[in-house]
Amino acid sequence: QKEVEQNSGPLSVPEGAIASLNCTYSDRGSQSFFWYRQYSGKSPELIMSIYSNGDKEDGRFTAQLNKASQYVSLLIRDSQPSDSATYLCAVTAGGTSYGKLTFGQGTILTVHP
Amino acid sequence: DVKVTQSSRYLVKRTGEKVFLECVQDMDHENMFWYRQDPGLGLRLIYFSYDVKMKEKGDIPEGYSVSREKKERFSLILESASTNQTSMYLCASSELVPTGELFFGEGSRLTVL
Repeated sequence: QKEVEQNSGPLSVPEGAIASLNCTYSDRGSQSFFWYRQYSGKSPELIMSIYSNGDKEDGRFTAQLNKASQYVSLLIRDSQPSDSATYLCAVTAGGTSYGKLTFGQGTILTVHP
Repeated sequence: DVKVTQSSRYLVKRTGEKVFLECVQDMDHENMFWYRQDPGLGLRLIYFSYDVKMKEKGDIPEGYSVSREKKERFSLILESASTNQTSMYLCASSELVPTGELFFGEGSRLTVL
């Protein structure tokens, strides 16, 4: 059973639309949740982190967390072609983890003009 | 500027060869990680280290070992490479107090023939 599951892609949206990326996780002890972006041929980079239930906004990005449902999402408003990338959901393990992250399989997003 | 450097971007090895992947970080981070990334599987943790000479198994340690003799350097060793170890290998580092932000190297693409 996969510990972190992301909605299957690829996801294609027109420029200016809202892109919605979803992630579920199995470890109820998880405390911290992250979204990484990975451009083709590049390494992942952190774009959002969220630690408590509710929404967290940063520019065009909004992360949403619901610990009861074990669900975390990322909304990208006014999507741009430069947002085309693979988005990785990552979750810290419950208990002592030394910052160990478990990643989902990633969702490929394409924003077309 | 923070930097994680992996020694080789591309390697081609033969089955049964011993392979060393080197990673050096200049941020004085305590934690270092080795992940492998395969299409459709996301990033999977092989090993991590939270201190010099300390190491912990990740989710897929079989067939791998690691060495951390100095704080800035974390090596991944494939004692006898096999074709199913053909993959992209990503090294990352983070601070001891986990914020969830991993700093990744550029990756090492290993092909085992």
